Amino acid sequence: QSVLTQPPSVSAAPGQKVTISCSGSSSNIGNNYISWYQQLPGTAPKLLIYENDKRFSGIPDRFSGSKSGTSATLGITGLQTGDEADYYCGTWDSSLSGVVFGGGTKLTVL
Amino acid sequence: QVQLQQWGAGLLKPSETLSLTCAVYVGTFNDYYWSWIRQPPGKGLEWIGEINHSGSTNHNPSLKSRVTISVDTSKNQFSLKLTSVTAADTAVYYCARANPERRSMMDVWGKGTTVTVSS
Repeated sequence: QSVLTQPPSVSAAPGQKVTISCSGSSSNIGNNYISWYQQLPGTAPKLLIYENDKRFSGIPDRFSGSKSGTSATLGITGLQTGDEADYYCGTWDSSLSGVVFGGGTKLTVL
Repeated sequence: QVQLQQWGAGLLKPSETLSLTCAVYVGTFNDYYWSWIRQPPGKGLEWIGEINHSGSTNHNPSLKSRVTISVDTSKNQFSLKLTSVTAADTAVYYCARANPERRSMMDVWGKGTTVTVSS
């Protein structure tokens, strides 16, 4: 059971928009910055978003992040088949004194 | 080019000790935290722990009693040891670079080492 809660899967058609939620608590998301990662099949995770809403170097503006209270959201617009991947949220947990991740969300571009 | 190069034994028997090392070829070693993360087959990411250049560590409480993370600043390397492994420790193990102020911000990752625990 992951500390952060993500939907197991989301899907949308090419060109459409999708959002992935990440829910936590005051000890993690509520008081710490969140990061988002994309993991393509068979590869290491890749940093997409840091500090809640900042795109990492080279990440297209189709990817966006936001945070409100103890929840965060990753948005992807103009979906492409190459966006099919697993997406993870992660943040520091002040109670655990460590990094915690969500269980991951599998994005299918239909 | 290789930025984080990791290596270690890929096949272990139950009760043995997992040992992995990650060599850093990117950035200034002393400026970051260095993390270990694992991913069991078909499952999500699990943070194992982290270390900085001075040897300050943090560990996942669920693994803390079995984990040792160490650093060798003379070689720009850091290592993971996990004792008394079981089949539940079978996973891909990644090393990663973490921002010292935003420790969930891991911007450079190793390629991963597959570790299988089987008798």
